[in-house]
Amino acid sequence: DGGITQSPKYLFRKEGQNVTLSCEQNLNHDAMYWYRQDPGQGLRLIYYSQIVNDFQKGDIAEGYSVSREKKESFPLTVTSAQKNPTAFYLCASSMGDSQSDTQYFGPGTRLLVL
Amino acid sequence: KQEVTQIPAALSVPEGENLVLNCSFTDSAIYNLQWFRQDPGKGLTSLLLIQSSQREQTSGRLNASLDKSSGRSTLYIAASQPGDSATYLCAVIATDSWGKLQFGAGTQVVVTP
Repeated sequence: DGGITQSPKYLFRKEGQNVTLSCEQNLNHDAMYWYRQDPGQGLRLIYYSQIVNDFQKGDIAEGYSVSREKKESFPLTVTSAQKNPTAFYLCASSMGDSQSDTQYFGPGTRLLVL
Repeated sequence: KQEVTQIPAALSVPEGENLVLNCSFTDSAIYNLQWFRQDPGKGLTSLLLIQSSQREQTSGRLNASLDKSSGRSTLYIAASQPGDSATYLCAVIATDSWGKLQFGAGTQVVVTP
């Protein structure tokens, strides 16, 4: 089955710790995205990548980092600099042919701070 | 700066009634508008995508309209069912931002049997 997988489903972070959220897609999509969702709010863009080895900051990139070494994978690291990391994190991908392509979303990772 | 608003924030209807969900946006310079469904603790499922040149899109019991000049979109769900209970989000892609979906906060819908 084609789709987007995110792991883990739940992640716990201690103070001062960096954690990495995984996102993998087998849709052969060029573009990938990371969004953050807080309760009662819409999604906000953290980072996006249009092609391998390239990525751009979104609206709320501070305290986060990403890499795009493979087309299928776009991991997100939540660093200790992110002071309020508790949220639901969603990864998405699109064909990347144009900026108006449909984006397909993964099931999400919920990050909680201990 | 583009802002997307969804009113009401929550809605409860008896089974069989038609649902009407509203979405408004402040800047009409958009490529498209997309409606998503989100079940509790889950990811988003795309329901309908309307290109800026289109007036509406239909899929089964769902119909979405777009009035770009007034900055509004409406999602209609006919003959609602308890399985339609979810949060519905609308999002736009502005012409000056590559691929960035700008989301509303969503409308939480409960359909009671």
